[in-house]
Amino acid sequence: EAQVTQNPRYLITVTGKKLTVTCSQNMNHEYMSWYRQDPGLGLRQIYYSMNVEVTDKGDVPEGYKVSRKEKRNFPLILESPSPNQTSLYFCASRPSGRATYEQYFGPGTRLTVT
Amino acid sequence: AQKVTQAQTEISVVEKEDVTLDCVYETRDTTYYLFWYKQPPSGELVFLIRRNSFDEQNEISGRYSWNFQKSTSSFNFTITASQVVDSAVYFCALSEGSGAGSYQLTFGKGTKLSVIP
Repeated sequence: EAQVTQNPRYLITVTGKKLTVTCSQNMNHEYMSWYRQDPGLGLRQIYYSMNVEVTDKGDVPEGYKVSRKEKRNFPLILESPSPNQTSLYFCASRPSGRATYEQYFGPGTRLTVT
Repeated sequence: AQKVTQAQTEISVVEKEDVTLDCVYETRDTTYYLFWYKQPPSGELVFLIRRNSFDEQNEISGRYSWNFQKSTSSFNFTITASQVVDSAVYFCALSEGSGAGSYQLTFGKGTKLSVIP
C-alpha cells in the first residue's frame, strides 16, 4: 500500500530533550516536506526536500533540523524542544518537485513539550 | 509571495442543506495550482481536488463541486445535500508553478464545517 508513515504518532517530552520524528514513504517520491498545524493558523511549512541531500527552509524553520540521506526518509529533528513547538506535525511527499502533483500526507504526530 | 484566505472560520449547517466554503488566493505567478484537502475528526489529511491556473472549468464529483474564477482569484467549494460525514476542517491550498513557490504549499487557515443531524 502506497503510504507515508510517521513515528511516533504521539509524544510527550520535556523542554530541551532532543527528539526525532521519523517520516518514510514507499512511493519513490523525490519531494518531501514537513508541516506543523496549530489552531487558528492552519498548516505551515517547516522544511522541504527536493531530493536526496537537497533541503530548504519553509515558512517556520526556527528550532528544527532535517536531513535527507535516503530518498524514502526525511526525519525532523528538534535538538532542544520548547513548549512553543507543541503542535501537530505532518510529513508529506509528492512525485517530483513539480507543483502540479498533490502531496500525500502522513497520519500526523502530536507532540507536547512541557 | 503566495497567500490563501479562508474567511469562514466555522460554519454550521443542518443535514441536507447545501454549503459553500470560500477560498481566495493571491499569487504573482501566472501558473499555479490550487488544492482542497479535508481533515476529518480523526485528523488525517485527505486530498480532494487539484486545479491548475489554465483550467477554469468547474468540476463536480458526486455531491462536491468546485468553482474556480480567476477574475476574482477564488476557488470555492460547494457541498450539496450535506451529510454528517462531511463534518471536518477543510483547507484550501496554493502552490506556484515556478521558482521557490513551486516547492511550497501554502494553506489557508481552514474552515471547520459542522453538519447537524
